[in-house]
Order: sequence, then structure tokens, then C-alpha cells
Amino acid sequence: QSALTQPRSVSGSPGQSVTISCTGTSSDVGGYNRVSWYQQHPGKVPKVMIYDVSKWPSGVPDRFSGSKSGNTASLTISGLQAEDEADYYCCSYAGSYIPWVFGGGTKLTVL
Amino acid sequence: EVQLVESGGGLVQPGGSLRLSCAASGFTFSSYWMHWVRQAPGKGLVWVSRINPDGTTTTYADSVKGRFTISRDNAKNTLYLQMNSLRVEDTAVYHCVKIGTPDTWFESWGQGSLVAVSS
Repeated sequence: QSALTQPRSVSGSPGQSVTISCTGTSSDVGGYNRVSWYQQHPGKVPKVMIYDVSKWPSGVPDRFSGSKSGNTASLTISGLQAEDEADYYCCSYAGSYIPWVFGGGTKLTVL
Repeated sequence: EVQLVESGGGLVQPGGSLRLSCAASGFTFSSYWMHWVRQAPGKGLVWVSRINPDGTTTTYADSVKGRFTISRDNAKNTLYLQMNSLRVEDTAVYHCVKIGTPDTWFESWGQGSLVAVSS
């Protein structure tokens, strides 16, 4: 199972919006509405920001939103804040044989 | 509060073995699928293995299949990962992870245990 494809890096200024894409195949992203997104600050453990493509876990601000079209999922962060600077990983269910696949990660820089 | 505390990592030579443990608390351990996810230094997250609540069903990434064994002891609220025939490319921080509700996302992560494979 290949990793999902994410851009290596994205950047934006405070207050702006950025979108991170996550491209898979019809066997993972395109086949299931089970895409989740994780934020990881340096030296910290990942924290879920979005699950089931567009749902928010408790405590996550609605500045973070998710969507999916075909084999590509997206995470949009609006009203960028300095503390949003982190690595972001997408993850998708991929069936019972190899059930979970992550993206390679995207480094978000807040300028 | 969910707590997951890994132990058992360390430095091992290629071909060697290690067993990781993950002590769980703050939730009904025996009711949840549990997973191991690893992260090589400076690299991304990679799913490794999962086990169902009663320990009868296990799944592995192709890269570890036949070398790693996941297991659990629900009486001790502990998850294990037995790692044999270790390779340099297995070097990573191994996180114990609790699935969320619904079981489509990774809700809680342990701090991880570093496994370094080197001669």
C-alpha cells in the first residue's frame, strides 16, 4: 500500500486560509469516507483535527475544515494563527487487508 | 483521561528482537481496537499493526508481516508488540494508539518508545 500524496510544504500569513491536499486512489481515499487529519508539533504526538472527511472531534476549532472530491481529500485552515504552524498528516481507511494508510506529511509555515 | 505509556524500546543490532509494551488506563481497554503506528526520525507516520478487542484478529503492514506480532492482555490493560528479525529500516518511535468512536480515527496516542536498530 503506497502512502497518500501530500505537498511537502505550504505557507500562509496570519489571517489567511491555506488548503492541504491528500491524494490517494479509489482503494483508499476515494473508496471510503474515513479520512482523518492529524496535526503534529515538533516533539509532540499527533492530534486529530478532522475525522470522517469533515467531522470535528471535541475541542477542535471550526477554523479547520475537511472535504473530499474523488480520490483527493483536503484540509482547509482559515484565519491562520501562529500556533497552526506544524506538520499535518492525512490518513485514510484502505480496506481490511492493510486498513490504514497515512500521507507523507505537509509542513505548514505561518509567515 | 486516557493514558498510554509505552516501554521496552532501545538499541538493538540488526536481526535482534525487542518487545514493546503499552500500559493503558482511563478507558475500558478491552472494548477497543488498538494499533501501533511508527515514525522514523524526521519522517512521517506509518501504520504498523492492529488488534481487535478480544485479541483474536490481528493485521500487519506488509513491511513487518512475519516479523512482528501484536498481542494484548486485557486483564493487565496492556498492549504488546513483539519485534523479531529487526532491520535498520525499523528504526523509529513506536506509538501505541487507541482508536476513536466511531472506529475511523486515531483518538489517543502514547508518547512513543524509540527503537534504534544499528550495528
